[in-house]
Amino acid sequence: AQSVTQLGSHVSVSEGALVLLRCNYSSSVPPYLFWYVQYPNQGLQLLLKYTTGATLVKGINGFEAEFKKSETSFHLTKPSAHMSDAAEYFCAVTGNNFNKFYFGSGTKLNVKP
Amino acid sequence: DGGITQSPKYLFRKEGQNVTLSCEQNLNHDAMYWYRQDPGQGLRLIYYSQIVNDFQKGDIAEGYSVSREKKESFPLTVTSAQKNPTAFYLCASSRGLNTDTQYFGPGTRLTVL
Repeated sequence: AQSVTQLGSHVSVSEGALVLLRCNYSSSVPPYLFWYVQYPNQGLQLLLKYTTGATLVKGINGFEAEFKKSETSFHLTKPSAHMSDAAEYFCAVTGNNFNKFYFGSGTKLNVKP
Repeated sequence: DGGITQSPKYLFRKEGQNVTLSCEQNLNHDAMYWYRQDPGQGLRLIYYSQIVNDFQKGDIAEGYSVSREKKESFPLTVTSAQKNPTAFYLCASSRGLNTDTQYFGPGTRLTVL
């Protein structure tokens, strides 16, 4: 079965600083990969996704992520944090046979003024 | 506007009562999903449906039931058999099953009194 690990349940950065949220998955078969953002008491909103092609994926709100097969990683970055980025972020991947969706446990991003 | 609606946003239930959570989508998506979200645990799949009149158990289906009589609707019933129902419930839909991007509703927060 696939598993998704998000390192750090809470990450705190200063406004204007680099945001780096980590996601690693377990499968040796390249899956489809997603990042979602959730604001308090709301549903999840898609930030970006990787299916095939270019391994650097750009999403909404200035976020991007790079698929690194050799490291089984799909880390999310943003060059300069904004106060409005404070939210919880979820990494998700598909299963080995593309028959299931697996979510990480989430990382709460705090942005300090 | 296309999207997914869930109602109610907040729901209170007494122990021993069944309660039904509504999920409606007008995206013309075939697949629909129900997830449960608890703090620090990410999202766990309760049930999913690929087409009308068909649905499958997810990872934590015990104490829940669903129906899919219409493409647009996928209601979830939390029965009295669910031992710890207090949680945030998220409905999602996608064009195809699992590998396609899932779009989420705003969620229903259920509290058992």
